[in-house]
Amino acid sequence: DAEITQSPRHKITETGRQVTLACHQTWNHNNMFWYRQDLGHGLRLIHYSYGVQDTNKGEVSDGYSVSRSNTEDLPLTLESAASSQTSVYFCASSARDRGPQETQYFGPGTRLLVL
Amino acid sequence: RKEVEQDPGPFNVPEGATVAFNCTYSNSASQSFFWYRQDCRKEPKLLMSVYSSGNEDGRFTAQLNRASQYISLLIRDSKLSDSATYLCVVTLNTGGFKTIFGAGTRLFVKA
Repeated sequence: DAEITQSPRHKITETGRQVTLACHQTWNHNNMFWYRQDLGHGLRLIHYSYGVQDTNKGEVSDGYSVSRSNTEDLPLTLESAASSQTSVYFCASSARDRGPQETQYFGPGTRLLVL
Repeated sequence: RKEVEQDPGPFNVPEGATVAFNCTYSNSASQSFFWYRQDCRKEPKLLMSVYSSGNEDGRFTAQLNRASQYISLLIRDSKLSDSATYLCVVTLNTGGFKTIFGAGTRLFVKA
């Protein structure tokens, strides 16, 4: 069955370290997204991609970067981890190119703690 | 003002009760509307899309009021398994494509 996976599921790191969170989907979806979820906030979009070599900034992109070298993967990198980046990170994918009726399928999430 | 606002709850209801959630959105150019469900410590999953004419899926009914800019979700005959957080989701096209998630409404259904 097609799926979307994230790794690691839990991560503890120190302030200033570079961290990369992996996201892999086998749906063959063009669109991929990274969100963070914090108490009191909805899911907030960090970065998104509509296809290979395409990346775009979301509303909370500062301190994060992504790259899309193939359809299946969209790794999220925290360049220099900060305590404010402690959060739950969700990756999602969707099928339809730039269409409003897309359903987003989410990975299981990565819980990141920055000490 | 948040772009999508929901009552955070929690709503505590007995089994069999009917419960309704509302969600308001601020951008009149919003195009598509959804309800997602998120269980504790799990990922969000699509519950249902919301269509202009309203739509029903079993015990769940979703409605859209464009004039007042709100959507609603009605759950009839609540089950214990309905306990979750319900996320209101709005999509709009602002030159680029944007999906906005509400912070969610928590529901606890008790025996």
